[in-house]
Amino acid sequence: AQSVTQLGSHVSVSEGALVLLRCNYSSSVPPYLFWYVQYPNQGLQLLLKYTSAATLVKGINGFEAEFKKSETSFHLTKPSAHMSDAAEYFCAVRNAGGTSYGKLTFGQGTILTVHP
Amino acid sequence: SAVISQKPSRDICQRGTSLTIQCQVDSQVTMMFWYRQQPGQSLTLIATANQGSEATYESGFVIDKFPISRPNLTFSTLTVSNMSPEDSSIYLCSVGGRQGVHEQYFGPGTRLTVT
Repeated sequence: AQSVTQLGSHVSVSEGALVLLRCNYSSSVPPYLFWYVQYPNQGLQLLLKYTSAATLVKGINGFEAEFKKSETSFHLTKPSAHMSDAAEYFCAVRNAGGTSYGKLTFGQGTILTVHP
Repeated sequence: SAVISQKPSRDICQRGTSLTIQCQVDSQVTMMFWYRQQPGQSLTLIATANQGSEATYESGFVIDKFPISRPNLTFSTLTVSNMSPEDSSIYLCSVGGRQGVHEQYFGPGTRLTVT
């Protein structure tokens, strides 16, 4: 079974500060990993994805994430937070095969607050 | 990416009634998924809907409570039956499974309140 753990249900940063949202995964096979963002009263938007190519993945809105197999981590970062980054962020892992092929397993989510 | 729409966007329903949620995609897709997001919670997969076959339900979800239809490659419905206040959630559909595409794209969600 695959699982995702997001450390910290709430993260608060000042505008212009570094954003770091932590995600650790558990998978018996090489995973596909994703970060999604959910703004209030909206659906999920894909930020970036890791699909076994480059370990450093760049996404939209200046976000990036690094896949570290040795640490089973896929942390999301942004060098400088903007007020518009305030949202909830979900890390997800995809099942690569079996009867649950394609199924996404989500972490619990991290709410990012950005202070002026 | 795919453009996904859901109807209704929100609804308030009485206990004991049923609501059918529609999901429409702008292109043909192999796999469609239905998720539930309870207040303040993460997303939980209800079922996978594949065209031409029965939906595959996750543990804790049953067809009698959440019947799903998938009549073609661009459309699916989820019915929430005999609703109770515990069914108050956001219901989201997503699509995936295109050749070489590993991610899923989500609809805007249906916000359901059961009174």
